[in-house]
Amino acid sequence: GQNIDQPTEMTATEGAIVQINCTYQTSGFNGLFWYQQHAGEAPTFLSYNVLDGLEEKGRFSSFLSRSKGYSYLLLKELQMKDSASYLCAVRDYSQAGTALIFGKGTTLSVSS
Amino acid sequence: DTGVSQNPRHKITKRGQNVTFRCDPISEHNRLYWYRQTLGQGPEFLTYFQNEAQLEKSRLLSDRFSAERPKGSFSTLEIQRTEQGDSAMYLCASSFGTGDTGELFFGEGSRLTVL
Repeated sequence: GQNIDQPTEMTATEGAIVQINCTYQTSGFNGLFWYQQHAGEAPTFLSYNVLDGLEEKGRFSSFLSRSKGYSYLLLKELQMKDSASYLCAVRDYSQAGTALIFGKGTTLSVSS
Repeated sequence: DTGVSQNPRHKITKRGQNVTFRCDPISEHNRLYWYRQTLGQGPEFLTYFQNEAQLEKSRLLSDRFSAERPKGSFSTLEIQRTEQGDSAMYLCASSFGTGDTGELFFGEGSRLTVL
C-alpha cells in the first residue's frame, strides 16, 4: 500500500529557513513531487525528484533519498506569501499508474 | 486562459440527487486525472485517463461515481445518489504524457456541498 507521512503544521518567521520532511513507502516508486497550495486555491507544482540528491530552484530546494524513502523541501528567505500547505506526493506505478498519491500536507505559517 | 478549467465551481445539492462536473484540460495534454480533497487533507486520487481510455480507478471510488472522457478531450465526473460524505472539492488535473516530469496541472476545482 501507500503511506506518505509529513508533519501537519509548522511555523516560522520571515527571513528564516524551514525544512519540511516527508517519508513514504511505495512498491513501484517513480518520482517524488512537492506542491504548494494556498487556501482555497489549486495545488501548484514546486519540484520533482526521481534520483537521489538535491534539486535547487531559487529559494526552494528538494532532496530525495530513495533507499530511505525520505524527502525534504527546504524553503529559504521565507516570505509571508509562503504561508500555505505543502503537499508531498509520489508516483507509484504499482498503485495508480502515472497518477500522484498525495500526503495530507503540511500547513506552514510564516509570521513577521 | 489556457489552464485547466472546471465547472461548475460550486454546487449545492440535496442528498440523493445526481451531480455532474466537467473538466477541460490543457489542450495538448493527453492525461487527465480526478481527485477529491476535503478540508485539511491532501488530494485523494479517484481515477485517470490517457486519451479516452480510463486506465486506473481508485478502490475508494464507489459504483455511484463514474467518469468519462469520450473524445479524449474534456471529461465529466458524475456522482449518483449523492451522500453527505461526498461533500468535498473535486479537482481535475492534466499532464503531458511523454518527455517531461509528468507534473500535474490542476484546475481550480468544483466544490460540492450535499445537504
